[in-house]
Amino acid sequence: DAMVIQNPRYQVTQFGKPVTLSCSQTLNHNVMYWYQQKSSQAPKLLFHYYDKDFNNEADTPDNFQSRRPNTSFCFLDIRSPGLGDAAMYLCATTRSRSPGSGAETQYFGPGTRLLVL
Amino acid sequence: AQSVSQHNHHVILSEAASLELGCNYSYGGTVNLFWYVQYPGQHLQLLLKYFSGDPLVKGIKGFEAEFIKSKFSFNLRKPSVQWSDTAEYFCAVNALSGGYNKLIFGAGTRLAVHP
Repeated sequence: DAMVIQNPRYQVTQFGKPVTLSCSQTLNHNVMYWYQQKSSQAPKLLFHYYDKDFNNEADTPDNFQSRRPNTSFCFLDIRSPGLGDAAMYLCATTRSRSPGSGAETQYFGPGTRLLVL
Repeated sequence: AQSVSQHNHHVILSEAASLELGCNYSYGGTVNLFWYVQYPGQHLQLLLKYFSGDPLVKGIKGFEAEFIKSKFSFNLRKPSVQWSDTAEYFCAVNALSGGYNKLIFGAGTRLAVHP
């Protein structure tokens, strides 16, 4: 039944040690998003993939990268995690990103909570 | 810049009380509006959405929301809450940015319902 799957649910890493979070989807959606959500704050969009087309938000730090090897999988790479990167990371998908398509509803995964020591 | 404001960060209610959570957005174009809910330990899930047509939208679990264009508002309501409604509620607007839709969230309202 799971449609958007994120692994692991909890990730502990060390300051400066690269870490990769993964997301997979069974919806065959074209668009995959990564959000960062800190405690008591709104989810903040980091970037998204429209098929293989990568779209970075202007204020996303260079420390954050992403890969999408195929339709089903998308990875978030944090090259040198800092203490400020501790957060919940959410993956989401939509069928389309086109305005007015009616397909803008986003489906979210359970998130990966990242702890940086 | 587009933004979404949720006025109450924390709400505490007793069971059977009525609920209204405020949401205002700042965006001049055509909007699609959403309420998402996050139950403790679970993922964000869609509660209801407005795309067009009837501004009073009914969602799951007895929730409804009313889009008032003149007030840039999309408040969430439920006439009688239950303990199981304890969760965090996020209002979001789908705004056009760079030629594609981008979901902008409010900071969320944490609802606690006491039995």
